[in-house]
Amino acid sequence: ETGVTQTPRHLVMGMTNKKSLKCEQHLGHNAMYWYKQSAKKPLELMFVYNFKEQTENNSVPSRFSPECPNSSHLFLHLHTLQPEDSALYLCASSQDQGTDTQYFGPGTRLTVL
Amino acid sequence: QKEVEQNSGPLSVPEGAIASLNCTYSDRGSQSFFWYRQYSGKSPELIMFIYSNGDKEDGRFTAQLNKASQYVSLLIRDSQPSDSATYLCAVSVNYGGSQGNLIFGKGTKLSVKP
Repeated sequence: ETGVTQTPRHLVMGMTNKKSLKCEQHLGHNAMYWYKQSAKKPLELMFVYNFKEQTENNSVPSRFSPECPNSSHLFLHLHTLQPEDSALYLCASSQDQGTDTQYFGPGTRLTVL
Repeated sequence: QKEVEQNSGPLSVPEGAIASLNCTYSDRGSQSFFWYRQYSGKSPELIMFIYSNGDKEDGRFTAQLNKASQYVSLLIRDSQPSDSATYLCAVSVNYGGSQGNLIFGKGTKLSVKP
């Protein structure tokens, strides 16, 4: 679990706030992912970065904005969220995008009031 | 739409029994299959991966893959209360620009009773 870290672990924000989630991986991987996990629903892939380039945007609303400054760091910028965006946001990394095993961080539990 | 189906459970087994978790998938071209364990309030943790038809064993865990039937399963022998968790099946997609990404099932909740 310490290979991929996420901060903050818990976040409560109002609909007009702007906040950012941070993910860092210490595994030397080239691919990083953002997932959303809501109750009673499967993990939903949001974004994929491979070698710092975004390779997947799974029809995510523009109120979620990813940033990947280097292969070790990934951010998810949040603004004007809705209560239905409350969920567990998970970051993962893998050696490369493809069939490599993905390793997850501990997640950020987000509550939007 | 590509899908991964799992029985949501809960699956309840007595301690020491064999727990059998099943998963079906719709993308016939999928090549990689993963089982993750997720404890309540925690993130998914990789248990096993399997790429070829047949069985793959790792300690008390055995993954079974049948590509013809588009079916993958996880057997847990000598189940322990600490195995109580939600088990997620994940399958790689093999189409278009999403090639290599994973699709997850909703998970099966396993409860091992002492």
